Amino acid sequence: NAGVTQTPKFRVLKTGQSMTLLCAQDMNHEYMYWYRQDPGMGLRLIHYSVGEGTTAKGEVPDGYNVSRLKKQNFLLGLESAAPSQTSVYFCASLTGGRTDTQYFGPGTRLTVL
Amino acid sequence: AQSVAQPEDQVNVAEGNPLTVKCTYSVSGNPYLFWYVQYPNRGLQFLLKYITGDNLVKGSYGFEAEFNKSQTSFHLKKPSALVSDSALYFCAVRAAYSGAGSYQLTFGKGTKLSVIP
Repeated sequence: NAGVTQTPKFRVLKTGQSMTLLCAQDMNHEYMYWYRQDPGMGLRLIHYSVGEGTTAKGEVPDGYNVSRLKKQNFLLGLESAAPSQTSVYFCASLTGGRTDTQYFGPGTRLTVL
Repeated sequence: AQSVAQPEDQVNVAEGNPLTVKCTYSVSGNPYLFWYVQYPNRGLQFLLKYITGDNLVKGSYGFEAEFNKSQTSFHLKKPSALVSDSALYFCAVRAAYSGAGSYQLTFGKGTKLSVIP
């Protein structure tokens, strides 16, 4: 099993450009999450999904959209990138059992100029 | 609302000495508590979790954590630190019962552990 994978690993955008980050998991997990990590801020939840076809807002959803068309994939989109979205983005997934653990991908480092 | 506080941005410890990384939490109802470690340019790796039962939880790489309900704390400990333990450590919490079923975790801001040879 590859676990949780993220594509791309690095990206540089100009202000106003758009892009999509892909998260894929091969563990048949129901729940998937997108976080951003900023220095001194810890991880903050952007959006999450409790199953195929569902999405919901997290703590910091503004400027992002998500889709979960297939159970194994969770996409994070930036329609018009801003410098404030420069961050490291992590995806995570879990089965959905009440005592389950979130498993994280390796991250995507995004810089918006 | 749930929250986590890691009061120390950085902890320095000499190799071979015991280490403690502090975490306090706030949550409605019973907590599920987690520790994750992040090595440079890597994702978060799960270390251990407290769900119920014994207040002392043992995890990966010789780490353990003690749950203290009265002090709402979940401090991470290791009896003898290694240089390879140097990393960023995150404490996280969620309520044992999540009405929306989202199992959302709330993370602390992280503590950078440096083990000095």
